Amino acid sequence: AQSVTQPDIHITVSEGASLELRCNYSYGATPYLFWYVQSPGQGLQLLLKYFSGDTLVQGIKGFEAEFKRSQSSFNLRKPSVHWSDAAEYFCAVGTWTDKLIFGTGTRLQVFP
Amino acid sequence: EAQVTQNPRYLITVTGKKLTVTCSQNMNHEYMSWYRQDPGLGLRQIYYSMNVEVTDKGDVPEGYKVSRKEKRNFPLILESPSPNQTSLYFCASSPSTDTQYFGPGTRLTVL
Repeated sequence: AQSVTQPDIHITVSEGASLELRCNYSYGATPYLFWYVQSPGQGLQLLLKYFSGDTLVQGIKGFEAEFKRSQSSFNLRKPSVHWSDAAEYFCAVGTWTDKLIFGTGTRLQVFP
Repeated sequence: EAQVTQNPRYLITVTGKKLTVTCSQNMNHEYMSWYRQDPGLGLRQIYYSMNVEVTDKGDVPEGYKVSRKEKRNFPLILESPSPNQTSLYFCASSPSTDTQYFGPGTRLTVL
């Protein structure tokens, strides 16, 4: 069955620390992979996406993600977190002709 | 400005009173979709449409209806809302083979 797992419900980091949010997926073929961010009371904003090619993808706001086919993972990283990064992060997989499947989200809290 | 708009943003209603949440996009996208977001469950797809007059069920279609008479609009209809449909709803649109763009969300409370 197709699924997305974000094993960390809640992560707390200090401002300036590095960040890695985990995402594992189960899909029949190589899907399109996405990370979205949702700030409190806001809609979802695309951070980055992977369709094919270079497995290290750069996104907005200094985020990057690496697709690892052997591990069925698409982890999101940022070298130095800012207080404004506090939000909920969703990993999603799918294709245009198939539905987009979201993980349950990871809530990031940033301490000054 | 390219955007997906939803109305209303907030709605409190009572069980059984029919309601419609509108969704409109100005990007000429073929694909549109409705999701609901519930704590601990992430986003789940309700219905999607790949073009005008083409709609299909997502993961949780029970209790919802949609229509796609025009490319830009994709309303979500709750004929007889129930408390378990209290949720945060998002509309999204996408050109073919690309990213979905999300609206700001509609917070619905059914009493």
